[in-house]
Amino acid sequence: TQLLEQSPQFLSIQEGENLTVYCNSSSVFSSLQWYRQEPGEGPVLLVTVVTGGEVKKLKRLTFQFGDARKDSSLHITAAQPGDTGLYLCAGAGNQGGKLIFGQGTELSVKP
Amino acid sequence: DAGVTQSPTHLIKTRGQHVTLRCSPISGHKSVSWYQQVLGQGPQFIFQYYEKEERGRGNFPDRFSARQFPNYSSELNVNALLLGDSALYLCASSLTGTGVSEQYFGPGTRLTVT
Repeated sequence: TQLLEQSPQFLSIQEGENLTVYCNSSSVFSSLQWYRQEPGEGPVLLVTVVTGGEVKKLKRLTFQFGDARKDSSLHITAAQPGDTGLYLCAGAGNQGGKLIFGQGTELSVKP
Repeated sequence: DAGVTQSPTHLIKTRGQHVTLRCSPISGHKSVSWYQQVLGQGPQFIFQYYEKEERGRGNFPDRFSARQFPNYSSELNVNALLLGDSALYLCASSLTGTGVSEQYFGPGTRLTVT
């Protein structure tokens, strides 16, 4: 059974601080997707990483896929209150579009 | 272009009843997947359909069923509702339904079973 362990589960920081969210598994994924979700809404796709060692940047967000395609990280620089939300990592296997989600990281950025 | 749409947005049902949730994918997308998200957890995979055929099924009881129509829209049916079925039901569409095909989610249907 493929599992994704996401940490930390909760994070409360001040505006301007940096943070990193980790997503780890013992399984290899063909791709890994990061989403951000607001309460009562569907997850919004932030980025997809496919190649081992790949690094993608989206403004102040940096996403990295592990060399072995088993883990990923999301780093936010100079967090802002607008970054508040639930961040989810999701891995896709080779056999289809089934996404395995981590438990999520609830981020709160205080002004 | 419209994103993934789902209906209804909210639903309240009684134990033992059945429910039908609907999803329309992004135009041009041929794959639809359904997920259940319980409060405080990540979404759990229920079904994937591609070109009207079931491509995958998660660890859910036979009370859950789905289908995809020729226009690629989809329905999720749940029979004999239990209190534990209360959740946000998410539909996601993707171009091909493969492991590298990005999935885009709809706003979800909030189901409450009393």
